[in-house]
Amino acid sequence: SQELEQSPQSLIVQEGKNLTINCTSSKTLYGLYWYKQKYGEGLIFLMMLQKGGEEKSHEKITAKLDEKKQQSSLHITASQPSHAGIYLCGAAYNYGQNFVFGPGTRLSVLP
Amino acid sequence: DAGVIQSPRHEVTEMGQEVTLRCKPISGHNSLFWYRQTMMRGLELLIYFNNNVPIDDSGMPEDRFSAKMPNASFSTLKIQPSEPRDSAVYFCASSLVVGANQPQHFGDGTRLSIL
Repeated sequence: SQELEQSPQSLIVQEGKNLTINCTSSKTLYGLYWYKQKYGEGLIFLMMLQKGGEEKSHEKITAKLDEKKQQSSLHITASQPSHAGIYLCGAAYNYGQNFVFGPGTRLSVLP
Repeated sequence: DAGVIQSPRHEVTEMGQEVTLRCKPISGHNSLFWYRQTMMRGLELLIYFNNNVPIDDSGMPEDRFSAKMPNASFSTLKIQPSEPRDSAVYFCASSLVVGANQPQHFGDGTRLSIL
């Protein structure tokens, strides 16, 4: 989707390293979602952010939404091979409408 | 707790044939979504239903594509006639209600190859 951009496109890190993935919207979001996808499988829901400045954590993954609600970051601390996969951000721009996904960031974690 | 169930997991067929993809949403979820994922275009929303009623089908690429939801526990996506450019992974997702405060839960997808 051209409405959502993700960076980087791909990322290779050594196990134990921290990393950040960014998701940027061309307009204000109503809600922002992070998903993880492994090859040949469906998307697994990670976190949802709605309020400007909101931050949520699950295990070693933290996601933040900026105050303007146009950018989100996903941070992984002490990465592990199990974190490898494609991370996609998804966004809603209106309540109940126009749900779009970013192109994804492919993460590889080397043991 | 069963997730979204899609069938078949893989489908290979010749162009011109009718293809039917099936989806069973999570019990109690009132909204159902069909997506298509390709390398070139990423994940695209095709259509979504709320309480079995199609709400937005603006993502359906052509009249060759049709989707139905005859009841709360079953939906189909049909392609007739199929073409090689329809080859993709098709995902079904469901949520409690359609809305920005409800995450969608995805099935494992149907990998479709049209020869």
